Amino acid sequence: EVQLVESGGGPVKPGGSLRLSCVASGFAFSSYKMNWVRQAPGKGLEWISSISGSSNHIFYADSVEGRFAISRDNAKSSLFLQMDSLRAEDTAVYFCARDLDVEVAGTFYRSLDYWGQGTLVTVSS
Amino acid sequence: DIQMTQSPSSLSASVGDRVTIACRASQSIDSYLNWYQQKPGKAPKLLIYAASSLQTGVPPRFSASGSGTNFTLSISGLQPEDFATYYCQQSYVTRFTFGPGTKVDF
Repeated sequence: EVQLVESGGGPVKPGGSLRLSCVASGFAFSSYKMNWVRQAPGKGLEWISSISGSSNHIFYADSVEGRFAISRDNAKSSLFLQMDSLRAEDTAVYFCARDLDVEVAGTFYRSLDYWGQGTLVTVSS
Repeated sequence: DIQMTQSPSSLSASVGDRVTIACRASQSIDSYLNWYQQKPGKAPKLLIYAASSLQTGVPPRFSASGSGTNFTLSISGLQPEDFATYYCQQSYVTRFTFGPGTKVDF
């Protein structure tokens, strides 16, 4: 059974840092791209970062570029998000999500097929 | 970035109804469109990938269509467990973007 379990959320002051973790099980972690998606209270979903299986392709949303860093440890089936210079608008539930490539009629399509339960980050003075 | 819009933002329906949700992309995304269902306090669940392919385990009352910039998600014979918020998401570029969501309630 595929499982993703996030941890590391909590209260933090503006300008502070936090490191989120996501431990995966039930699949060959190193074979999959992974993502972080967040959801501010009462708001919609916002994709924030993606990392390839070998960590050689990394992408960020403009809203976090330069402040957040995604990484992974395939030996420990773990995904991380280092969050620095946190702002009030970073307050959200942060989900890790597995990135699935499926071939349909000769073309590969990506989707987020498994998600963790989320961890809440609250940035407030 | 590719912008995604959805309509309506919310709708009221009854058990047994057929409901349709629209999603539009700011540029052509071919069939790189996914649909998710989210219930309060829970993680999103993948329903549809590649615009019209049903994810394993998702009931066939869910269907979707579209390509290019215009997409729809339909639920035929709404069930009590289908009352939730639905999001579309483009995967045409790696900087994924989601629509703002459509809340389906009573």
